[in-house]
Amino acid sequence: LAKTTQPISMDSYEGQEVNITCSHNNIATNDYITWYQQFPSQGPRFIIQGYKTKVTNEVASLFIPADRKSSTLSLPRVSLSDTAVYYCLVGDIYYEDSNYQLIWGAGTKLIIKP
Amino acid sequence: DTAVSQTPKYLVTQMGNDKSIKCEQNLGHDTMYWYKQDSKKFLKIMFSYNNKELIINETVPNRFSPKSPDKAHLNLHINSLELGDSAVYFCASSSRTSGGTNTGELFFGEGSRLTVL
Repeated sequence: LAKTTQPISMDSYEGQEVNITCSHNNIATNDYITWYQQFPSQGPRFIIQGYKTKVTNEVASLFIPADRKSSTLSLPRVSLSDTAVYYCLVGDIYYEDSNYQLIWGAGTKLIIKP
Repeated sequence: DTAVSQTPKYLVTQMGNDKSIKCEQNLGHDTMYWYKQDSKKFLKIMFSYNNKELIINETVPNRFSPKSPDKAHLNLHINSLELGDSAVYFCASSSRTSGGTNTGELFFGEGSRLTVL
C-alpha cells in the first residue's frame, strides 16, 4: 500500500491561501487520494478526495498532477479555525477492506496565526 | 444528532484493570473500526468489523477485544491494562465500498482518552 510523506508542520496567517503538499511516489493505478482534517480533541473528518487533475468543494481544492505522485491540498483564505492536523491518504476506495489498509502518518500540523 | 458517539470521553484507571469503551453509530453503516492514536498523532487501525468479518491488526495484543452486539455498536474491551495502553481510542464507521459514488469516507467519533496509571 502506498505510503505518503507530508511536512510535519506549517504556519500561515489568517486570510492567506495555504497549500499542503503530499508525496506518494508508489501510488497504484486504482488508488484515490483522500485528505482528512483533525481538530484537537476530535476525530478526523473527511475533507476531499480525488483521483486526478483538480477537485474542488466548499472547503478546499485538491490538485493532482498527471503522474499522480504527489497532491496538493489548497485551503483558500484560512482562518484561525483552520488550525488542525491534515492527513493525506492513498488507497483503492473500491477495495472492500480499503479503510483497514490505509496507512495514517503523523499528518501536517497547520497553525494559523492572527 | 451525533453520527458516531463513544463513551466515556475520558477514562483514568490503574494498571491491571479491565475496562470497556462503547461506540454507537446512527449512520446505517455496515462497517465499524477501532483506531488507536498515540502521543505523536499516528493513527493505527486496530480492528475492522462488519456483520460477517472481523479483521484484526496482528500487532494488537489479545488483551484487546471488540464486541459487537449489533450492527450499530462496536465496543472495545481491554483486559489487564498496561501503561503503554494510554492513548486516544477512536471509533469510526463507513459503508463497505461497492463502487459508484461511495468515497469510503470514514466517520469518526470524538475519541476516548485512556490514561493508565
